[in-house]
Amino acid sequence: AQSVTQLDSHVSVSEGTPVLLRCNYSSSYSPSLFWYVQHPNKGLQLLLKYTSAATLVKGINGFEAEFKKSETSFHLTKPSAHMSDAAEFFCVVSSLSGSARQLTFGSGTQLTVLP
Amino acid sequence: KAGVTQTPRYLIKTRGQQVTLSCSPISGHRSVSWYQQTPGQGLQFLFEYFSETQRNKGNFPGRFSGRQFSNSRSEMNVSTLELGDSALYLCASSPRTSGSADTQYFGPGTRLTVL
Repeated sequence: AQSVTQLDSHVSVSEGTPVLLRCNYSSSYSPSLFWYVQHPNKGLQLLLKYTSAATLVKGINGFEAEFKKSETSFHLTKPSAHMSDAAEFFCVVSSLSGSARQLTFGSGTQLTVLP
Repeated sequence: KAGVTQTPRYLIKTRGQQVTLSCSPISGHRSVSWYQQTPGQGLQFLFEYFSETQRNKGNFPGRFSGRQFSNSRSEMNVSTLELGDSALYLCASSPRTSGSADTQYFGPGTRLTVL
């Protein structure tokens, strides 16, 4: 069994300040981890993914995430928020159970960027 | 490459009716997954198809069904619609079904409203 917990349902930051979106996971297998972003009335767009290579993963639009196995965390960060970053962010864990791929989505974190 | 396309984008139905949603994956992708997104339940996995075969199924009633054609296009059908079926239905494609690290590429979704 696997699960994902996004620790904050809402995060509010001022433009130009750092962003931290927290994600903890549990998985019985060696998981792959993803962050997706969803803008209003749009589908999900991949920000970045971890696949057991480098633990610090860089994604699009200046976002990055660090995989910490000991803490079972995969937090998303960005040094300086931009107004266009306002959206909902989803942490996703993916693993194989037998031959079936299992994806589990977090409940999402709504990011608000204040001017 | 063109992205994942879903038709129609918006749909309004009444209780008891049935509905068919369509998804065209990225060219060359053979796996298509469907998700239901609601404010209360978040993103929930419906089913995954690969090479015209259902490979994985989520915990939804039999009113939800799908199929995949030889060109990898997929349809999902919901019969005897209920108010609770109102949701954004997202389709995602990936090259294969067996890789946990494979990225799923999402379409813009179909917004279904049941009155």
